[in-house]
Amino acid sequence: RKEVEQDPGPFNVPEGATVAFNCTYSNSASQSFFWYRQDCRKEPKLLMSVYSSGNEDGRFTAQLNRASQYISLLIRDSKLSDSATYLCVVNTRRGGYSTLTFGKGTMLLVSP
Amino acid sequence: DAMVIQNPRYQVTQFGKPVTLSCSQTLNHNVMYWYQQKSSQAPKLLFHYYDKDFNNEADTPDNFQSRRPNTSFCFLDIRSPGLGDAAMYLCATSTGDSPNQPQHFGDGTRLSIL
Repeated sequence: RKEVEQDPGPFNVPEGATVAFNCTYSNSASQSFFWYRQDCRKEPKLLMSVYSSGNEDGRFTAQLNRASQYISLLIRDSKLSDSATYLCVVNTRRGGYSTLTFGKGTMLLVSP
Repeated sequence: DAMVIQNPRYQVTQFGKPVTLSCSQTLNHNVMYWYQQKSSQAPKLLFHYYDKDFNNEADTPDNFQSRRPNTSFCFLDIRSPGLGDAAMYLCATSTGDSPNQPQHFGDGTRLSIL
């Protein structure tokens, strides 16, 4: 089982749609969780951290269920500029250090 | 203002010819990471430095080496690049103080092998 698994995508949605991305992780000792956004041929950029209580940033809502080892990202009122690949990222402590493990990403294509 | 700077943005080298990619940071972060990302794949961690302490991932090929001469700079050396090493190489930094701290990425260096 891969450490971080995401919906394979791509997701094709019209402007204004609501879209949800799912992610599962295998290491129950994972400590922190993030969603990154990556545009084509660019570096990943932090979209938001994910907390157990759930958190919202404008049109974006992230949820974490530690018991199920499941993370989600909801995007409301999709914009053309939301088109990108969304990476689920898990931070796991290994010995004295923490390292990030990335999911393969789910591509979102928002059309007019 | 760029805080994690990678040079060059694009690098072309010949099969088997050593190449060095560079990364610098103005954040004074303790930890610097190198990732390899191939097309349509997740970034894969190659190694990281916590200060001067080097940590190699178990499956990183011996062909890949790294140097961190000071806090600000970190280099990725590929001793004998093969066609399979063509990829985007991403440098990232973090404070290392807390697992809740995200990593900050540079723009990446896209490496092509002729």
